[in-house]
Amino acid sequence: DAKTTQPPSMDCAEGRAANLPCNHSTISGNEYVYWYRQIHSQGPQYIIHGLKNNETNEMASLIITEDRKSSTLILPHATLRDTAVYYCIAPAGGTSYGKLTFGQGTILTVHP
Amino acid sequence: SAVISQKPSRDICQRGTSLTIQCQVDSQVTMMFWYRQQPGQSLTLIATANQGSEATYESGFVIDKFPISRPNLTFSTLTVSNMSPEDSSIYLCSVGKTGGMGAFFGQGTRLTVV
Repeated sequence: DAKTTQPPSMDCAEGRAANLPCNHSTISGNEYVYWYRQIHSQGPQYIIHGLKNNETNEMASLIITEDRKSSTLILPHATLRDTAVYYCIAPAGGTSYGKLTFGQGTILTVHP
Repeated sequence: SAVISQKPSRDICQRGTSLTIQCQVDSQVTMMFWYRQQPGQSLTLIATANQGSEATYESGFVIDKFPISRPNLTFSTLTVSNMSPEDSSIYLCSVGKTGGMGAFFGQGTRLTVV
């Protein structure tokens, strides 16, 4: 798996956009970038993934730089329920089949 | 998507005993994975469970301590054997998404060993 680096913690005001960065400078050409989050005492939840194009779904947007060495997860209108640990993962190979290496992630705190 | 049910959701066990955790998926899946999350830490992969073959363990985890069964394509068990307080963790089951793009996770089993 490509090594990923994330800030340990971030704060965001409710209703504002939360922009969570991730560095994955060693990522190879066929490795996707995945984002998961873990709300306290729950199992991790898949958010979004991408290869090189920007992606958007009902939960978030993923912006991947052209050189693919970094990405940003955007929660456009953060709510208190978005407070969680966010993990950026770049598993080895084109398809991981769910075998994931979790780093320490970013603790996002959304405050009123 | 896949719905994953884990049992028990939590347990308090005496040291020296064993606990078997069950993971049931609502659809057939090729690979199932077991993770451990120690207090305040991130998730660590214990092993990969394939149907019809022995589980593949990650470095630092051994079959005698964490025996795994995978009798069919929708079910797996993880046993935590001869438990000590250091085994107090959340144990999570996950399955790969169709097409191999990511994973779904169960809600975990919170184990406390006293």
